[in-house]
Amino acid sequence: DAKTTQPNSMESNEEEPVHLPCNHSTISGTDYIHWYRQLPSQGPEYVIHGLTSNVNNRMASLAIAEDRKSSTLILHRATLRDAAVYYCILRQYGGSQGNLIFGKGTKLSVKP
Amino acid sequence: ETGVTQSPTHLIKTRGQQVTLRCSSQSGHNTVSWYQQALGQGPQFIFQYYREEENGRGNFPPRFSGLQFPNYSSELNVNALELDDSALYLCASSGLRGGRDEQYFGPGTRLTVT
Repeated sequence: DAKTTQPNSMESNEEEPVHLPCNHSTISGTDYIHWYRQLPSQGPEYVIHGLTSNVNNRMASLAIAEDRKSSTLILHRATLRDAAVYYCILRQYGGSQGNLIFGKGTKLSVKP
Repeated sequence: ETGVTQSPTHLIKTRGQQVTLRCSSQSGHNTVSWYQQALGQGPQFIFQYYREEENGRGNFPPRFSGLQFPNYSSELNVNALELDDSALYLCASSGLRGGRDEQYFGPGTRLTVT
């Protein structure tokens, strides 16, 4: 699986939007972009994934660059509960094995 | 729908001992993956089981072994424990072979080796 690059940490104010960037310049055509987050003292939690088009769900939005070499996870209104480590992961579909390869992620702090 | 559960929550072992960690997958899921998470790091893939057979393995030595049972629950066994094995052990279940869909993680087992 290709590597991703994320900032080590970011800060946000409560109720403001948050844009978490991820660079994946070596992405291949069959790689999906996944985001997971890990709240303190919990296991990781699936957030969203996409291939080429922007995606929205109840938790967040995923904006994917036209060349697919970068993407941005958007939390529309950050809450204190969104303070977590956010992982951007590339997953290649088509094979029989789909383990997740985690980097260090971005630690998001949310200030009241 | 019951989520992924793991037991025990915490465990303290001595170097050289053996340990067994347990995971119950989410209802309807037939694939279980195990991860090791050292402090301050992202989880690292250990291995995956699909319908009771190993379906992929990360860069971990043979003293890390596993099992999956007919009800799709799973065990992770670690022999000859080393101090560096101290970590949070996570299991994740998914409904497609290879975990190609979303993976649902349990809360983890915190293992301390002294």
